[in-house]
Amino acid sequence: NAGVMQNPRHLVRRRGQEARLRCSPMKGHSHVYWYRQLPEEGLKFMVYLQKENIIDESGMPKERFSAEFPKEGPSILRIQQVVRGDSAAYFCASSPGDRVYNEQFFGPGTRLTVL
Amino acid sequence: AQKITQTQPGMFVQEKEAVTLDCTYDTSDPSYGLFWYKQPSSGEMIFLIYQGSYDQQNATEGRYSLNFQKARKSANLVISASQLGDSAMYFCAMWGAYNTNAGKSTFGDGTTLTVKP
Repeated sequence: NAGVMQNPRHLVRRRGQEARLRCSPMKGHSHVYWYRQLPEEGLKFMVYLQKENIIDESGMPKERFSAEFPKEGPSILRIQQVVRGDSAAYFCASSPGDRVYNEQFFGPGTRLTVL
Repeated sequence: AQKITQTQPGMFVQEKEAVTLDCTYDTSDPSYGLFWYKQPSSGEMIFLIYQGSYDQQNATEGRYSLNFQKARKSANLVISASQLGDSAMYFCAMWGAYNTNAGKSTFGDGTTLTVKP
């Protein structure tokens, strides 16, 4: 009964490179959320997706960031032309979406370091 | 807009004593859920407890209970009989019902709890 899986756990990129973060939701979960956590801060909502649909991307920076959740395969958070300020922990969460209030189950996070 | 406020950046508690972590919120949504998560030093986010805005009784999960006062817009977490393993960062969060407003997930800045032996 695997939980939410994220890979890689740690990612180092140089400025200007692309970062791809992957998230496989829990079995049976069709809703995925991405969050960013800067050092010593709380989580900031980025985007909420269902299969093949972006439901709410109000927390996504307008440029360089994109997310997808294809019909098959994991959800991908893509950061193009990374800058030092993108260094953070990126968490993915999933929920089943079939109850009134659906708790979100979090993955272990991907720690992105931009050199 | 939704807002979560955790006014205690750090808290200390003696082992085996109870501790209350404060959380106040603001929202214009008529229906919402309030959640608490624990983040130990290892970094993972662990779901602890939730309270629906229309739930009549305060939620409890083992040593965790949520003191929900809707009129005051507060959702404090109470940990009874603290253990050394409770030392962690605790986040209060909220989002809407049926995932229609789940995209408005809002987290507080967290409270660091340290349990002293």
